Amino acid sequence: QKEVEQNSGPLSVPEGAIASLNCTYSDRVSQSFFWYRQYSGKSPELIMSIYSNGDKEDGRFTAQLNKASQYVSLLIRDSQPSDSATYLCAGWYGSSNTGKLIFGQGTTLQVKP
Amino acid sequence: DAGITQSPRHKVTETGTPVTLRCHQTENHRYMYWYRQDPGHGLRLIHYSYGVKDTDKGEVSDGYSVSRSKTEDFLLTLESATSSQTSVYFCAISTTGASGELFFGEGSRLTVL
Repeated sequence: QKEVEQNSGPLSVPEGAIASLNCTYSDRVSQSFFWYRQYSGKSPELIMSIYSNGDKEDGRFTAQLNKASQYVSLLIRDSQPSDSATYLCAGWYGSSNTGKLIFGQGTTLQVKP
Repeated sequence: DAGITQSPRHKVTETGTPVTLRCHQTENHRYMYWYRQDPGHGLRLIHYSYGVKDTDKGEVSDGYSVSRSKTEDFLLTLESATSSQTSVYFCAISTTGASGELFFGEGSRLTVL
């Protein structure tokens, strides 16, 4: 099993809808998780981090962590065409001093006007 | 802007030639990472560093070596480039210690013919 897995998509939603992006992780990945957004031809940028079980909201974005199910999700409310990008889920692997960030393969989101 | 510069940004080379990619940061952060990105694979960690002369292997380290003789520079070397190393390479730094909150450089696109 890969440490972090995502459905590559594409996920297509109409403008104004809620986009739901999902990620699962293995036992070896720790409990710190991150969502990065990457526009085509650009570098990834961090949009959300979540460290504890439950929900974390930031504007139109909500990250959800379910440790029992080893499941992380990102909800984007009121999706806009500018949200069209690849979303990368990542989990921290290893010790606190020498660990590393492991990424899933990314989910492409298309928001249609 | 985390002050990360990658060079070269684009390079075309031939199989069997050595290639060195440079990542330079201006803020003396301890943790630096090299990832490669290929379609369908997301970001895969090649090597990372948690201090001067302190480096470790990532998921896909075969065929790559790194050096970090100064805090600000992290070099990635392909001793003998192969076509399978054609990729986009991203350098990243962590500004918050050993954490998953990374800032990425703009990427270096390498083509091995």
